[in-house]
Amino acid sequence: EIVLTQSPATLSLSPGERATLSCRASQSVSSYLAWYQQKPGQAPRLLIYDASNRATGIPARFSGSGSGTDFTLTISSLEPEDFAVYYCQQRSNWRGFTFGPGTKVDIK
Amino acid sequence: EVQLVQSGAEVKKPGESLKISCKGSGYSFTSYWIGWVRQMPGKGLEWMGIIYPGDSDTRYSPSFQGQVTISADKSISTAYLQWSSLKASDTAMYYCARRIVGAHYFDYWGQGTLVTVSS
Repeated sequence: EIVLTQSPATLSLSPGERATLSCRASQSVSSYLAWYQQKPGQAPRLLIYDASNRATGIPARFSGSGSGTDFTLTISSLEPEDFAVYYCQQRSNWRGFTFGPGTKVDIK
Repeated sequence: EVQLVQSGAEVKKPGESLKISCKGSGYSFTSYWIGWVRQMPGKGLEWMGIIYPGDSDTRYSPSFQGQVTISADKSISTAYLQWSSLKASDTAMYYCARRIVGAHYFDYWGQGTLVTVSS
């Protein structure tokens, strides 16, 4: 089973700052990694798929990079609405889908 | 517009059965997978299983195999998640989510169904 590890667990930043979130896989997932944003009381929302592709309607300040085992989600300049929990997710054939434990981005 | 609309919150007692639903609209329901994801209070996301309504091909996470049943009724574009005997530890928010065939992610999500199991 592929395990995803996210760091840091919490990131305290101010609006306008750059956020860099990390997701590491226990073995290669090629480029098959997605990122989701979840705000309190809401369902997750797809941000990035296949490591670096922005989903429909996602602002350009969100970008993803990486391949293999190391991936990064970058938010270039935090907006007030970006303070949320971010999850990475991978799929490994029919062993299914796994999510990372999440990184909470909160206001400093 | 693609929508996944889930059934309302449920309060049940341990040992009771339950079936929650997820109705898709705005797309061809039989051409996309529907997955189910659990989120326990204050915790992260856990994939439970997935179904292809076109032919009812169903896969389960090993963690949930035998604990729940996933089904779909393509005539009414609805997927289901059911329990035969609920436990207090089943208390959680449950989300359905759509997966494009061949994709490795979920592109649209339902609003969630909160299940509370308490005596």
